[in-house]
Amino acid sequence: EVQLVQSGAEVKKPGDSLKISCKASGHNTTSHWIGWVRQMPGKGLEWMGIIYPRDSYSRYNPSFQGQVTISADRSISTAYLQWSSLKTSDTANYYCACGYCGRTSCYFDFWGQGTLVTVSS
Amino acid sequence: SYELTQPPSVSVSPGQTARITCSGDALPQQYAYWYQQKAGQVPVLVIDKDTGRPSGIPERFSGSSSGTTATLTISGVQAEDEADYYCQSAGITDTYVVFGGGTKLTVL
Repeated sequence: EVQLVQSGAEVKKPGDSLKISCKASGHNTTSHWIGWVRQMPGKGLEWMGIIYPRDSYSRYNPSFQGQVTISADRSISTAYLQWSSLKTSDTANYYCACGYCGRTSCYFDFWGQGTLVTVSS
Repeated sequence: SYELTQPPSVSVSPGQTARITCSGDALPQQYAYWYQQKAGQVPVLVIDKDTGRPSGIPERFSGSSSGTTATLTISGVQAEDEADYYCQSAGITDTYVVFGGGTKLTVL
């Protein structure tokens, strides 16, 4: 089993930058992909992108491409989600989740606890 | 863009069977996965690869898929099953993860 621990809640202003993290531990973490999922208040799950920490290969949802950057540091089993300029519409709970990807699909079997990001002037 | 369609809500009485559907054009070629999210909690995978039940998931949860529709079935629903349920799959090319809009299961 894999455990994912995310960084704490953030309160930011529009235009601020932000980088949140997700640290993996447990069995066989090196073979997992790490994805990021947005959940806006009272809304459903939206996939943002996914990364394979072994080689940092990443895939993005076209809706989020260019809006965020997903990265990973394999040496400390940590994945990151980064914004260069936040908007109020980025206010949401962000989950990391680990799982597997095939040639055309991915899925997630363990989830982090979520990081609440609030963007307000 | 590729979409998965779920009913917004399903209501059942305790002990009855709940069925939640998920429709998508690529489901004949792609597996469906189901996640349970209770209020204020983290999503949990309850069905993988159409019909698999991960370790720790009660036997009353089952999945099936036929044509363009995948179905999550909860037999003998309990009050603790009240939650939002999301299906997840993928498109045929370059759409690696898609979530359905979610179905709120209410146990009457």
